[in-house]
Order: sequence, then C-alpha cells, then structure tokens
Amino acid sequence: AQKITQTQPGMFVQEKEAVTLDCTYDTSDPSYGLFWYKQPSSGEMIFLIYQGSYDQQNATEGRYSLNFQKARKSANLVISASQLGDSAMYFCAMREGNTGGFKTIFGAGTRLFVKA
Amino acid sequence: GAGVSQSPSNKVTEKGKDVELRCDPISGHTALYWYRQSLGQGLEFLIYFQGNSAPDKSGLPSDRFSAERTGGSVSTLTIQRTQQEDSAVYLCASSFSGATGDSYYEQYFGPGTRLTVT
Repeated sequence: AQKITQTQPGMFVQEKEAVTLDCTYDTSDPSYGLFWYKQPSSGEMIFLIYQGSYDQQNATEGRYSLNFQKARKSANLVISASQLGDSAMYFCAMREGNTGGFKTIFGAGTRLFVKA
Repeated sequence: GAGVSQSPSNKVTEKGKDVELRCDPISGHTALYWYRQSLGQGLEFLIYFQGNSAPDKSGLPSDRFSAERTGGSVSTLTIQRTQQEDSAVYLCASSFSGATGDSYYEQYFGPGTRLTVT
C-alpha cells in the first residue's frame, strides 16, 4: 500500500531564510509522481511542484525545489528566501502510475510559520 | 478560464438528513476526485472518476456515502443519514488523466464545501 509520511507537524523559519519540509514515501510501483501543494488559511489547495520517478533532475519552480532522493524514498520541499506569504499548510502527495489508477494519497501536512 | 467550482460553499444540516454536494470540474479534465478534510487534518481520499471507467470507491468511509458523475462532467457526492463525524470540508479536484503509466497531471482543486452536521 502506498504511504506518505510528513514527520514535521509544524516548522518555523525566519523571513528570507530557506526551509526544508520533509516527505518520505513508500511504493513498489516503479512509475510514480510526487506532488507538493500549499494550503493557505483561506483553504484553497495550490499546486507547487511535481517530480516524476523517472526524472533525472530535481524539479524546480521559482523559489521551490524538490530534493528527490529516490533510493531513500524522500521528496523534501525546499523553499528558498521565505516570505511571510509562505505561511501555510504544505502537503506532500503521491500517485502511482501503474498500479494506483491515478489515485493520489496525501500526507498529514506540515504547517509552516514564517517569522518577520 | 474557469476553475473547479463547488456548491454549496457552506452547508449546515441536522443529523440524520441527507445532503448533496456538487462539483463542476474544469472543462476537458477527464479525472475527478473527492476528498474530505477534517479540521486541521490532511486530505482523506474518498473516490475518483476517470473517463468512462468504473470509479475507484475505495476511500468511501461507509455505505452512507455515494457519488456519481454524469456525462463525464459534473459530479455529486451524496451523504445519507448524516452524522456529526461527517462534519468536514469536502474538496473536489479535477485533472487530465493520461495513460496507464503516467503519473503526472496535477490536480486543480475547488474551494470546497464546508459541511456542518448539528
């Protein structure tokens, strides 16, 4: 069964510093995708970044990058130059391409607090 | 273009009543998902539809929950005989679905329906 683990319920970071949000996963499907979403206090879910299991390079999107360590089954999100607006819940998610039928499983989330 | 829309945005109902939640996905998206998010918690997968295939209902918590998707577009999530533990935000998402073996296609989420069972 697929499993997503986010071990940090809450994280604090100083404005303008970088922060890493941890995510580990478990799957036996060789084809899978990993996603990070942001959920501000307003409640909407915002897609941030995607990493495919066959991608050779770590994904990057602006200030977001994904530290993908396939052998360790980890997909940590790195936010550089944190801004006050980054304060939100962050969810890691996984979809198995062959066996999951596009079902996506989400982790429990990490709440990020950015301090001024 | 228009995003995923959900209605109603808020629903307060009495215990034991039935409720229907509606989701209108992005045009052209073949996959549609329903999730439940309890206060301060992560997203719990409920059900997804992909094209004309049989839906994956593996996440539905009980037989009081059902969903349908008409014409490959609008979906309705129905909760019968609501209980207080059903109180949560119900999120709908849609995406392209690609082919077996594809894992990409991020989901676009609607604003959610906040259900309160009194």
